[in-house]
Amino acid sequence: DTAVSQTPKYLVTQMGNDKSIKCEQNLGHDTMYWYKQDSKKFLKIMFSYNNKELIINETVPNRFSPKSPDKAHLNLHINSLELGDSAVYFCASSPQKAEEAFFGQGTRLTVV
Amino acid sequence: GENVEQHPSTLSVQEGDSAVIKCTYSDSASNYFPWYKQELGKRPQLIIDIRSNVGEKKDQRIAVTLNKTAKHFSLHITETQPEDSAVYFCAASISGNTPLVFGKGTRLSVIA
Repeated sequence: DTAVSQTPKYLVTQMGNDKSIKCEQNLGHDTMYWYKQDSKKFLKIMFSYNNKELIINETVPNRFSPKSPDKAHLNLHINSLELGDSAVYFCASSPQKAEEAFFGQGTRLTVV
Repeated sequence: GENVEQHPSTLSVQEGDSAVIKCTYSDSASNYFPWYKQELGKRPQLIIDIRSNVGEKKDQRIAVTLNKTAKHFSLHITETQPEDSAVYFCAASISGNTPLVFGKGTRLSVIA
């Protein structure tokens, strides 16, 4: 009964490919996020979704697109992958905007 | 937008000593300040948080202090143990409004 789960845990792919990372939360939270953690461990907000509505979209390339089929899911789709996209991507959720965030286990993306 | 600075980036202490990590934030409207611990290969997990109507909060060996006037907050860990070794992140947000903005992390090493 994992609270926030994301798949896959590891993803190795070639430059130029398109890939998706899935995230699901069973906490009944209203807000979900995607964070990117680079090799220096910096955690940077990418997207924030509240009740299926995108409320903040940080300055990430438009190759990245969040998709939320319902309140419990927030998937991340990435087009035309680049070497610099290699990082750990964390999904998170919170009861409402800007309260305690519960993180998924992360997806380590490696672009070769 | 909010900017969070965190110092030091690395910290080594002897087992049993205290550790202090400091953060400053830029947006005076921020009112929620959590601290996360991330062990190697794991997800960030909340260890303690404080809201702007409180100056100090303590939970066993960890405590957080907040100075709203100076816009800085600190994490204090007493009687450190080897299992405290991890990366610690501070964060700030405007509760109910903005997602968490994280500091760049502090790698704490507790030497037995």
